[in-house]
Order: sequence, then structure tokens, then C-alpha cells
Amino acid sequence: EAQVTQNPRYLITVTGKKLTVTCSQNMNHEYMSWYRQDPGLGLRQIYYSMNVEVTDKGDVPEGYKVSRKEKRNFPLILESPSPNQTSLYFCASSLAATGAGETQYFGPGTRLLVL
Amino acid sequence: QKEVEQDPGPLSVPEGAIVSLNCTYSNSAFQYFMWYRQYSRKGPELLMYTYSSGNKEDGRFTAQVDKSSKYISLFIRDSQPSDSATYLCAMNDNYGQNFVFGPGTRLSVLP
Repeated sequence: EAQVTQNPRYLITVTGKKLTVTCSQNMNHEYMSWYRQDPGLGLRQIYYSMNVEVTDKGDVPEGYKVSRKEKRNFPLILESPSPNQTSLYFCASSLAATGAGETQYFGPGTRLLVL
Repeated sequence: QKEVEQDPGPLSVPEGAIVSLNCTYSNSAFQYFMWYRQYSRKGPELLMYTYSSGNKEDGRFTAQVDKSSKYISLFIRDSQPSDSATYLCAMNDNYGQNFVFGPGTRLSVLP
């Protein structure tokens, strides 16, 4: 089944404790992206990647890191999480490198609470 | 001013009604316009996309883009309870790399 998977789905952590949220897609997609979703603010793009080893900042990259060492994986790293990073996180992928006009497939989401 | 504005709702309509969902935006560089549907506790899924100005129809759904007014709409005809979800507009420019989403409108279609 073609899908985007994220792990973990739920995570409670404390301020300053490094964490990684994994994202994997099995559709051989070029483009991958991370979003956070907050009430009243909608989805905001954190980072995106057009291909292996090619990443760029979205609208809200502060406090996050990403890497794209393999085409299928795009982990999101929070080096020192803070309470304002409490949010619902989505990973997405699309076939084309640009993402323009392409269908983005979203993962099921990761709900993060930082105490 | 936010880059993309959308009436947050919630919006409740009876089954069979015509629903109009709207977004306004400020960046004239946007060329691709998308509507996503998000059911509770799920990731968004692409419903429709249009390029530049004009209309696009797909079954009960019609997307309209008016670039001169920086205004996009999604119409749902003969709405069904299964249409109950949050609807997000999204857009990006010709480079297509950086997506901007509206905050979403929560729709409830009552049987």
C-alpha cells in the first residue's frame, strides 16, 4: 500500500530532551516536507526537500533540523524542544521535485507535547 | 496581515445544501491553488487543484480562482454528511517548493 508513515504517533517529552520524528514514504517520491498544525494557524511548512541531500527552510524552521540521506526517509529533529513546539506534525511527499501542482500525500500525524 | 486568510467557521449546513468555502491571499506570485480535506485525526488529502485563474469541476466540487481579486473558492453541491471535515486552501508559486496553507474551515453537514 502506497503511504507515508510517521513515528511515533504520540510523544510526551520534557524541555531540552532531543527527539526525532521519523517519516518514510514508499512511493519513490522526490519531494518531502514537514508541517506543523496549530489551532487558528493552520498548516505551516517547517522544512522541505526536493531530493536526497537537498533541503530548504519553510516558513517556521527555527528550532528544527532535517536530513535527507535516503530518498524514502525524511526525519525531523528537535535538538532542544521547548513548550512552544507542542503541536501536531505532518510529513508529506509528492512525486515531482518541485511539488507544484502535485498531489501531496500526508502521513497520519505526530502529536507532540513538550512539558 | 496573514498571507492566506480563510473563514475559520465552524460552518453547519443541512444535507443537500450548496456550500461555499473561500480564501483570500496577498502574494501575487501564487500560481497553484489547492483545496485539501482533513477528517478528524487524519492527515489532509488533496481534493482539487487549479493553475492560475479559472474554474475546475470534479463531480460535486467546483474550484474557482480569481487572481485579480486574490480570491479562491470551493463550492460543494448536494452536500453529504460524509463531507463533514475541515477544508484547507493552499497555494504556491511557480517554483512550487514552498506551500502556504490557510487556517482551515470546519464544515458540518447535518443529516
